[in-house]
Amino acid sequence: ELKVEQNPLFLSMQEGKNYTIYCNYSTTSDRLYWYRQDPGKSLESLFVLLSNGAVKQEGRLMASLDTKARLSTLHITAAVHDLSATYFCAVDTLDLSGTYKYIFGTGTRLKVLA
Amino acid sequence: DTGVSQNPRHKITKRGQNVTFRCDPISEHNRLYWYRQTLGQGPEFLTYFQNEAQLEKSRLLSDRFSAERPKGSFSTLEIQRTEQGDSAMYLCASSLGSGNEQFFGPGTRLTVL
Repeated sequence: ELKVEQNPLFLSMQEGKNYTIYCNYSTTSDRLYWYRQDPGKSLESLFVLLSNGAVKQEGRLMASLDTKARLSTLHITAAVHDLSATYFCAVDTLDLSGTYKYIFGTGTRLKVLA
Repeated sequence: DTGVSQNPRHKITKRGQNVTFRCDPISEHNRLYWYRQTLGQGPEFLTYFQNEAQLEKSRLLSDRFSAERPKGSFSTLEIQRTEQGDSAMYLCASSLGSGNEQFFGPGTRLTVL
């Protein structure tokens, strides 16, 4: 069974600090997505990573994908309070019927303290 | 607004009642997905459509759940004889074909009393 694990599950950090969220998955895939979710809201797309070695950056967030290690990272630089949210990775995996399907990670709940 | 829309945004119902949710995908997207998300968890796949054809249903989708996409445009998700365990956020997403990014709607939050 495909598993997608994120760590940490909870992260409390001071403003201005750096930190990395990890997303490990258990099957072959070269498509991975990062989403942000605010409480009670839907999922907002952050990054689309479609190949080994892909790196994307937007503001204080940078995501990367290592398909050989089955690992993606979301790095936060100089955190600000507005980044407080839950972050999900989603692995797009090909099932037996030949269809791509998302499997979501467990989520990382980030709280940035002023 | 050309994004994915869902109605209603919130639904409170009593146990045993039937509820129906609607999802309008991005207009040119042929794939439509339904997910369920409970508090503190990631979204879990329920079912998906390619145009009007429902191609897969998760084991999470009991026989009380039914989904349709009659003309390959909007979709409905009906839950019959609701149970308290059905309380969750129901998310709809759409994409242009398989293997492309899914765009999510705002969700319908269901509370079963």
